Amino acid sequence: DTEVTQTPKHLVMGMTNKKSLKCEQHMGHRAMYWYKQKAKKPPELMFVYSYEKLSINESVPSRFSPECPNSSLLNLHLHALQPEDSALYLCASRQGRGGSNYGYTFGSGTRLTVV
Amino acid sequence: GQQVMQIPQYQHVQEGEDFTTYCNSSTTLSNIQWYKQRPGGHPVFLIQLVKSGEVKKQKRLTFQFGEAKKNSSLHITATQTTDVGTYFCAGLMNSGYALNFGKGTSLLVTP
Repeated sequence: DTEVTQTPKHLVMGMTNKKSLKCEQHMGHRAMYWYKQKAKKPPELMFVYSYEKLSINESVPSRFSPECPNSSLLNLHLHALQPEDSALYLCASRQGRGGSNYGYTFGSGTRLTVV
Repeated sequence: GQQVMQIPQYQHVQEGEDFTTYCNSSTTLSNIQWYKQRPGGHPVFLIQLVKSGEVKKQKRLTFQFGEAKKNSSLHITATQTTDVGTYFCAGLMNSGYALNFGKGTSLLVTP
């Protein structure tokens, strides 16, 4: 299995809703990432998990809450989002930690619309 | 963190023409990676360059890393419609924990 699987593929939620995005990989990668991508923009880093521990939070608002239950799973819990949070949310994984020289494997993303 | 600049922002070519996108960093990079994102798709890893002056080829794609490890380029020879997409360069940031993406070059190829 050489894939990162993200669910759901599409999500529409109201500003008072609570929802979760899920990401799963079975490649034995120990670094996992959440990126946010707006239309015609590059991916922007949100969170980094290394060996199931949160190592980087890029000053993301608390309405986004990441969770790494185990080495294969990564969740992003969403609560009280704003319409400007509408974007493509990408999960990625990579072997090793830190300066390890491996490419990222991205999931196909969750396209989120906040209404 | 380091800034990775990428030009041009857009490029429209006729099928068969060549294409080049350039990436520049304000600081020395330990390595640089290149990704392709098709319209409606997700970034797909193409290659990583590590050594000063390194040149790597993948069929019609040629990747270069500058001698000072501050710039890189991707050159596509004889573009095809399947080359359409956005090409991103990316350098490591946060002490190597995460990638910082350039703004990308969107390539449109018309038959």
